[in-house]
Amino acid sequence: QQQVKQSPQSLIVQKGGISIINCAYENTAFDYFPWYQQFPGKGPALLIAIRPDVSEKKEGRFTISFNKSAKQFSLHIMDSQPGDSATYFCAARGFGSARQLTFGSGTQLTVLP
Amino acid sequence: ETGVTQTPRHLVMGMTNKKSLKCEQHLGHNAMYWYKQSAKKPLELMFVYNFKEQTENNSVPSRFSPECPNSSHLFLHLHTLQPEDSALYLCASSQDTLPGGGSYNEQFFGPGTRLTVL
Repeated sequence: QQQVKQSPQSLIVQKGGISIINCAYENTAFDYFPWYQQFPGKGPALLIAIRPDVSEKKEGRFTISFNKSAKQFSLHIMDSQPGDSATYFCAARGFGSARQLTFGSGTQLTVLP
Repeated sequence: ETGVTQTPRHLVMGMTNKKSLKCEQHLGHNAMYWYKQSAKKPLELMFVYNFKEQTENNSVPSRFSPECPNSSHLFLHLHTLQPEDSALYLCASSQDTLPGGGSYNEQFFGPGTRLTVL
């Protein structure tokens, strides 16, 4: 079964701190790993994504670290801000004509002012 | 309107009612999706349409009936639902569902319809 396991379920960080969310997958055929950010009352929005041919991708304060051998990837939010408080979902997509996303269960991040 | 819109935003219905959820995308995409989002659970893909043709049905009960009259509109018809069907129903769209070069084929989500079944 294609699963993506995400942890922690919830995370509280002080303003300026580093938020780290981890995901692990089983299917070695996954070839695309996006992270989505969801604010209350909104749908998920793509935040940052990585392919397995690189080990790290950085966009502003957001960085994905990817460990292909361990089948793990993580999101790091540097200098976390109260405006980053949201639910974060990791996902993975495999090969094939459908190329559907498999999502993690989400992490609710709260950044305290 | 821009992006992906969904109506209604909130819906309360009894188990014997029939209602429909509507999704419209203004992005010129060819693929549309229905997802179910329940608290503390991964998003569950329900249906996929590509160029108006249903390409995936993830063992969804027949009380959920999708309709895609064109590439811009997607409906989810609901009848005789159960209380456990209460959830946030999200619509998404993407360029298509086909493997394509270096394209990430990003999915864009609507705000969802919060459904409560009494």
